[in-house]
Amino acid sequence: AQTVTQSQPEMSVQEAETVTLSCTYDTSESDYYLFWYKQPPSRQMILVIRQEAYKQQNATENRFSVNFQKAAKSFSLKISDSQLGDAAMYFCAYRRNTGNQFYFGTGTSLTVIP
Amino acid sequence: KAGVTQTPRYLIKTRGQQVTLSCSPISGHRSVSWYQQTPGQGLQFLFEYFSETQRNKGNFPGRFSGRQFSNSRSEMNVSTLELGDSALYLCASSLGDGGPDTEAFFGQGTRLTVV
Repeated sequence: AQTVTQSQPEMSVQEAETVTLSCTYDTSESDYYLFWYKQPPSRQMILVIRQEAYKQQNATENRFSVNFQKAAKSFSLKISDSQLGDAAMYFCAYRRNTGNQFYFGTGTSLTVIP
Repeated sequence: KAGVTQTPRYLIKTRGQQVTLSCSPISGHRSVSWYQQTPGQGLQFLFEYFSETQRNKGNFPGRFSGRQFSNSRSEMNVSTLELGDSALYLCASSLGDGGPDTEAFFGQGTRLTVV
């Protein structure tokens, strides 16, 4: 079974600084997708970034980038130039190559300090 | 383009009652998945529907059921409510059946409180 682990329940970062959120996962499959979702107080899950396991290049979306280490089954999220609006709960998620079932980590609550 | 719509947004029910939650996916999307979110258990998968067929089901008791209609709208039903069913129920809508071009869009959820 697939499991996703986020070992940092809470993180904080100064505004304009950089923070890295950690995520590890366990799977026996070779093709899969990894995601970081953001859940602000409004509760709506918003996709931050996604990574296809078959791609070696790390995904980047503006200030958000990932460090994908397939052999180590690690998928960390780096947020650069942190902004107040980045404060939220961040969930790491795994999805198999087929179907739309997500396996979520327990989340990391990010606080941005002005 | 309208997003994923979940109704109602808030619900208070009494133990033993049953409840039906609704999810309208993005127009054209054929897949709907449901998740239960609680502080203690986090986000747990309930079930996934694609073109009216249940594709996967999570580890929940039979009191939890769902269905998908021909217009892709989905409902989930919880019978004989227990206090532990209090949670945020999230619905996710996807265009296809997984794969590289499928992204999931989430609704704002239904907050169910069982008293």
